[in-house]
Amino acid sequence: NAGVTQTPKFQVLKTGQSMTLQCAQDMNHNSMYWYRQDPGMGLRLIYYSASEGTTDKGEVPNGYNVSRLNKREFSLRLESAAPSQTSVYFCASSPTPDYEQYFGPGTRLTVT
Amino acid sequence: ELKVEQNPLFLSMQEGKNYTIYCNYSTTSDRLYWYRQDPGKSLESLFVLLSNGAVKQEGRLMASLDTKARLSTLHITAAVHDLSATYFCAVDFTSGTYKYIFGTGTRLKVLA
Repeated sequence: NAGVTQTPKFQVLKTGQSMTLQCAQDMNHNSMYWYRQDPGMGLRLIYYSASEGTTDKGEVPNGYNVSRLNKREFSLRLESAAPSQTSVYFCASSPTPDYEQYFGPGTRLTVT
Repeated sequence: ELKVEQNPLFLSMQEGKNYTIYCNYSTTSDRLYWYRQDPGKSLESLFVLLSNGAVKQEGRLMASLDTKARLSTLHITAAVHDLSATYFCAVDFTSGTYKYIFGTGTRLKVLA
């Protein structure tokens, strides 16, 4: 039981490049989330998926898109990376939205 | 505006001492969560508080929720070095739409 896994662990992009961050969970959870963590700002919700087939914007969605590929997988895409998107990205899942969330190990992204 | 504020932001304390971390939030919510993050690591759920007056305890940590005051506390009893970490509270502001807002975190350092 791996829990929540994320790939890659580290990534360096040049401004304007695109990439997709992958997230998968093996706990049969309905809800999945993407956050970014910046120094001194806690975590901010980018997008979430309450259940398979639905996605919705969180607090800071601009510059990102998501896909809930199936119940297990929830990907985050940066179409045209900007230095302001340099951050640590965490994926999380929960059985239901009012339950605690389980976090993946994070992806450290640097945009130069 | 939806806001979650924690204080203090930084806390350095001696082993064996007691202290309390405060989490204030701006609008009505019945669901509050506490998480722990070790440096360079992911987040781990500590407590889920789902109603007014809820109190949860695990080891040297005790969390409580007062929804009327929009306040949660995380009390540390007889701190030990292993409790050194950053502690976050998170509030779910909108039942059913999962606007999940994290506080900025309290960085705790317990000195031997």
